[in-house]
Amino acid sequence: AQKITQTQPGMFVQEKEAVTLDCTYDTSDPSYGLFWYKQPSSGEMIFLIYQGSYDQQNATEGRYSLNFQKARKSANLVISASQLGDSAMYFCAMRGVKTGGFKTIFGAGTRLFVKA
Amino acid sequence: GAVVSQHPSWVICKSGTSVKIECRSLDFQATTMFWYRQFPKKSLMLMATSNEGSKATYEQGVEKDKFLINHASLTLSTLTVTSAHPEDSSFYICSAGLGAYEQYFGPGTRLTVT
Repeated sequence: AQKITQTQPGMFVQEKEAVTLDCTYDTSDPSYGLFWYKQPSSGEMIFLIYQGSYDQQNATEGRYSLNFQKARKSANLVISASQLGDSAMYFCAMRGVKTGGFKTIFGAGTRLFVKA
Repeated sequence: GAVVSQHPSWVICKSGTSVKIECRSLDFQATTMFWYRQFPKKSLMLMATSNEGSKATYEQGVEKDKFLINHASLTLSTLTVTSAHPEDSSFYICSAGLGAYEQYFGPGTRLTVT
């Protein structure tokens, strides 16, 4: 069975500082993808970053980077230089090819509050 | 990136009526679409996987007769909430798959049943 765990219901960060959002996962699928999405109050799901299980390097997209530690089964999101507009709900997600049937499962989410 | 639309963006209906929500991939063909449900301040829960030309695969605990899914073409999947009740009020989000890992989400539909 596949599972995504986000243990931080809420996080506060000062504007311009970096913040790490935790995510651990469990899967028996040898090949999988890990994702982070941002969901503002409008409800839309905004894709942030993707990490493949066989990727050797950690993914980066602008101010977002994914700290992928395969042995620990963790895929933490690091947001550098936080902005007020980063305040939103953040979801870690996983998609397995073999056992997951291409379905994406989501963690419980972390609500990020950026303080001015 | 690819664009997925949903219609309507919000709907209010009376208890006992049925509501249809459309999910369209606008600039690509999606053999697989997914329907999620999200309660306030909760995560997305997968309801079903919709494959073009075949019956949808429902997740455990999701009533097939309650949530009818039709994937008539490579660009359109519909979710019909039949005989809606207040407990069906929720945020429904669809996504369309493109390849093994690419997935694009619609903007969601907020359903309120009175």
